[in-house]
Amino acid sequence: EAAVTQSPRSKVAVTGGKVTLSCHQTNNHDYMYWYRQDTGHGLRLIHYSYVADSTEKGDIPDGYKASRPSQENFSLILELASLSQTAVYFCASSVTGGDTEVFFGKGTRLTVV
Amino acid sequence: QQKVQQSPESLTVSEGAMASLNCTFSDRSSDNFRWYRQHSGKGLEVLVSIFSDGEKEEGSFTAHLNRASLHVFLHIREPQPSDSALYLCAVSLNYNQGKLIFGQGTKLSIKP
Repeated sequence: EAAVTQSPRSKVAVTGGKVTLSCHQTNNHDYMYWYRQDTGHGLRLIHYSYVADSTEKGDIPDGYKASRPSQENFSLILELASLSQTAVYFCASSVTGGDTEVFFGKGTRLTVV
Repeated sequence: QQKVQQSPESLTVSEGAMASLNCTFSDRSSDNFRWYRQHSGKGLEVLVSIFSDGEKEEGSFTAHLNRASLHVFLHIREPQPSDSALYLCAVSLNYNQGKLIFGQGTKLSIKP
């Protein structure tokens, strides 16, 4: 069974502090993604990666960095957390084409105070 | 830049009545369309994925894609109160299918 695991599942961070959200996949997928969801709304793409050691900007990259040290792992980094970054963050993985599924993690609820 | 919009914003139907949700997109070259369900405070559950014009059925969920009119619909047959949730439409291109553009969602409530 394909799996995407996120850690932590929830976190409270202080404004101005550094936050790292981690994602691990066992699907052997090339592509990994980080999305953000604000309450009651759709998801928006922050960063993605199609190969280790390389990341690409998504639609809302400002205030976020990403790191892909291996095919299995993809991290989202908030260097200086702000109140506006309070949201739920989802990681996902997929293959290129093939009309196959996109697999999502269960989400990380981040609260910045 | 692809735009995806869902209507209505919220919908209440009686248990057992058909529920119909609408999603419009702006890029006619899009070729991957997915409907997700999200119960309050939970993760995403894929309901149906459709990759060519026409209909695709998965249990009580049917997606209908018409790329010429830039619409993809979701019909829910005989919904139950447990189907009350946020429904999200997501669109992507086949070469990077996980790079999804989501609509803002339709909040569906099923009255017993």
